[in-house]
Amino acid sequence: SQQGEEDPQALSIQEGENATMNCSYKTSINNLQWYRQNSGRGLVHLILIRSNEREKHSGRLRVTLDTSKKSSSLLITASRAADTASYFCATDTNNRLAFGKGNQVVVIP
Amino acid sequence: SQTIHQWPATLVQPVGSPLSLECTVEGTSNPNLYWYRQAAGRGLQLLFYSVGIGQISSEVPQNLSASRPQDRQFILSSKKLLLSDSGFYLCAWSDSGQVLNIQYFGAGTRLSVL
Repeated sequence: SQQGEEDPQALSIQEGENATMNCSYKTSINNLQWYRQNSGRGLVHLILIRSNEREKHSGRLRVTLDTSKKSSSLLITASRAADTASYFCATDTNNRLAFGKGNQVVVIP
Repeated sequence: SQTIHQWPATLVQPVGSPLSLECTVEGTSNPNLYWYRQAAGRGLQLLFYSVGIGQISSEVPQNLSASRPQDRQFILSSKKLLLSDSGFYLCAWSDSGQVLNIQYFGAGTRLSVL
C-alpha cells in the first residue's frame, strides 16, 4: 500500500514567499525522503531525514519529522520561480521507497 | 561520477505490440535497480526492483516483466501491450553499499499505447 501521502492541494505562491508541504504515512520507517520532479522529467533527491531525527536543513530547505504523528513537512524558504515543480515524499521501509502522490508548487515571478 | 541512461524518451505503440525499455547505469558497481510507473498526476508505483544480475522482484502483478542481463542494465518488457500500460516509466538506481536507499532517477520514458 502507498506509504507517503502528501496533502493533495496544489500550491501557488509569489516569488520570495515560503512554501510548506505536508506528508503523512502509515507504518514504521527507516527514513523519509523528499524528491522534486520538474514537468516530464525524472525525480531528483532533495533531502533525507532519518527516523531518529526531528528536523534537518539543507540550504533553503527545512524538513521536519514527527514519528508519533507519522508526518513530515517540507518548507522551502524564499521561493524562486525555478522552484516550480512537483514535490514527493517517500518513505523508506525494507529498502523500498513508497512515494506519495506529489504536491505541485507554482512560484509566480 | 555516476550517470543513468534511459531510452527512448517517448514511445507510441499500438495495443498488442511488444515493448522493450532499457536502462543503464555508469560509474558504479552492483547497484540496486528499480522500475517505476507514474500515472498522470499521481505518485510513483514500484513495478520491479533488482539487487543483482538475474534477481528480479515484482511488486505488482501485471502485463510487464523485467530482466537484468548485466550488472548495470535493467530492461522492462511486455509481449503484448494493453491500453492501461500507458504512462511515464522511470528507472532508478541506488547504492547497494549504503543503508540510506537514496535513489537516482533517469529522465523517464513517456509511453502511449493506442
